[in-house]
Amino acid sequence: SIVMTQTPKFLLVSAGDRVTITCKASQSVSNDVAWYQQKPGQSPKLLIYYASNRYTGVPDRFTGSGYGTDFTFTISTVQAEDLAVYFCQQDYSSPPTFGGGTKLEIK
Amino acid sequence: QVQLKQSGPGLVQPSQSLSITCTVSGFSLTSYGVHWVRQSPGKGLEWLGVIWSGGSTDYNAAFISRLSISKDNSKSQVFFKMNSLQADDTAIYYCARKATATAMDYWGQGTSVTVSS
Repeated sequence: SIVMTQTPKFLLVSAGDRVTITCKASQSVSNDVAWYQQKPGQSPKLLIYYASNRYTGVPDRFTGSGYGTDFTFTISTVQAEDLAVYFCQQDYSSPPTFGGGTKLEIK
Repeated sequence: QVQLKQSGPGLVQPSQSLSITCTVSGFSLTSYGVHWVRQSPGKGLEWLGVIWSGGSTDYNAAFISRLSISKDNSKSQVFFKMNSLQADDTAIYYCARKATATAMDYWGQGTSVTVSS
């Protein structure tokens, strides 16, 4: 199985800050990476698919980039409502696998 | 609107089986695949398997011997069954829709399952 190594595990930021999360795949996954947001007590919500495509209705402060083994997820200006855990996921090779998650907290 | 509603038990005895039904609305199971994913504090998010729009299935090799996914298109229901549960199967189980050109874009509310006597 492809291992998705996600860093950092935890971020403590202020509203208005820029946030960057990275995911490194153990082998190339082309651009078949998605990013999800999971707020406390909720199911995951799709934000980005195919590395850089914003899903319907997702605010443009959320962006993704990358190809091959290295992927980046950015929140340009963090808002209080962005408090959540963020996950990457590859769907290039079965089984689909997820990163360990990044917990974002707001000061 | 698109919804996936899960129903199933919260408590399962060790060595017993888990059955969860995912009832969908707002789309047809003949057009979308439905994946099953579980989440636990120790193992994070784990993909378990998928039933494709045409009815074929793929399973995570780690669970293939004890997992079964089926569906009834006419009832808009997907059926998940896992056998021989043990304590480390304690997790939240999710169904999720996936179209060909996106990712898992709609998720069920989750079924919190505890394996305990």
